[in-house]
Formats: sequence, structure tokens, C-alpha cells
Amino acid sequence: GDSVTQMEGPVTLSEEAFLTINCTYTATGYPSLFWYVQYPGEGLQLLLKATKADDKGSNKGFEATYRKETTSFHLEKGSVQVSDSAVYFCALRVRNQGGKLIFGQGTELSVKP
Amino acid sequence: NAGVTQTPKFQVLKTGQSMTLQCAQDMNHNSMYWYRQDPGMGLRLIYYSASEGTTDKGEVPNGYNVSRLNKREFSLRLESAAPSQTSVYFCASSETGHGHFGDGTRLSIL
Repeated sequence: GDSVTQMEGPVTLSEEAFLTINCTYTATGYPSLFWYVQYPGEGLQLLLKATKADDKGSNKGFEATYRKETTSFHLEKGSVQVSDSAVYFCALRVRNQGGKLIFGQGTELSVKP
Repeated sequence: NAGVTQTPKFQVLKTGQSMTLQCAQDMNHNSMYWYRQDPGMGLRLIYYSASEGTTDKGEVPNGYNVSRLNKREFSLRLESAAPSQTSVYFCASSETGHGHFGDGTRLSIL
């Protein structure tokens, strides 16, 4: 079935370090891909998205490129801040199943000053 | 601009009790979803509704029922709560793009 796999956390970085969170997917169709962020005690917010191969989604300094050949959508940021500490979820939307949204297990990021 | 509204925000139940979690969206979206979030498990889909009048099982539907009352509202019912259903429950809605999420319901079953 359709699924999303993320690198396990927690990930601990120093401020201004480079961030990569790996995400790979399995899908029967041609999905749209998303990264969501969840701050403590809150719901999920869309961070960025890509709807077709080679698209790059970007927002707030975060980027991810839809790589169909490697079925990946890795999240990157060049210089993290303490305020980026949160849980990050990779997700896909299956177009031929009523738009079912499927999530990875989440990766907790902690950024130290 | 409320988006997705979930009620209640917190609830404590005893084993065997029943309750309904309410969800309403004001964005005229066709699709609505219920997820549960547990540590280390990510968000697991319980049920979803692709459009008014239709519902489908997700990954973990056992012990739950849903009702798509109208286009705006999608409720989740626990008929006989069990401790394994202690979790944070999120409702979401979407049209053709990403999902918009509510703030969640924290449910504890003793």
C-alpha cells in the first residue's frame, strides 16, 4: 500500500547548522507531496508542497524537491534557528483515492542556541 | 476565519463509556479526515470522507464509527472506549490540495 518513511528522530542541532530530514515514499499513483510542521501543543501546519516531479517547494528557508526517480522528498534548511524546533511530518496525497492523506511517523527537531 | 474547529479540546473517559468528537470546517471542502497521533507512530488515518455522503476506512478504523452529517461536519464516535484509544485526535479537511488541520482533541481513557 501507499506509505511514507521518514528518518527517525530526535534530531538535535546547534543554531545555524544545516538540516536534512529524509523522506521516501511508496505510492501506487502519482501523488502530491507535503511537509507539515507541528509546534508543541498545536495542530499541523503546511510548511511546503510539490505536486509533480522535479518541483521544488519552499517556505521560511526550508526546501524540498520532488524526486520521482528516487521516490524521495527530503527537507533541507541551510541555517536552522531555535524557533525551528518542532516535529516535522512528510506526507503524500493519493489522487485516485478521494485524496487520502498519508503521513510519515514524524521527526522531532531540537535546535540548541 | 475559523478553518477547522474540533470539540472538545480535552476529555477524560472511563473504560466502556461512549463519546462523539465533533469536527466542522467552513472552507467548503469536499474531503474530511480523522487521524490519531501517538508517540512514535505519526498520524494514522482512522476514517475519511471523500465527499458528503461517503465514508471509508483508513489504517486503524476498529473501535470507531464516523458520520458525515453534511458537507461541513464530520464526527467520530467511540462506542465503548478502551485505554488503547487514549490519544490525540485530529480532524482535517481538504479540497484538491493539502489538508487543513484542527487543533486536536486530547482524549484520555482510564
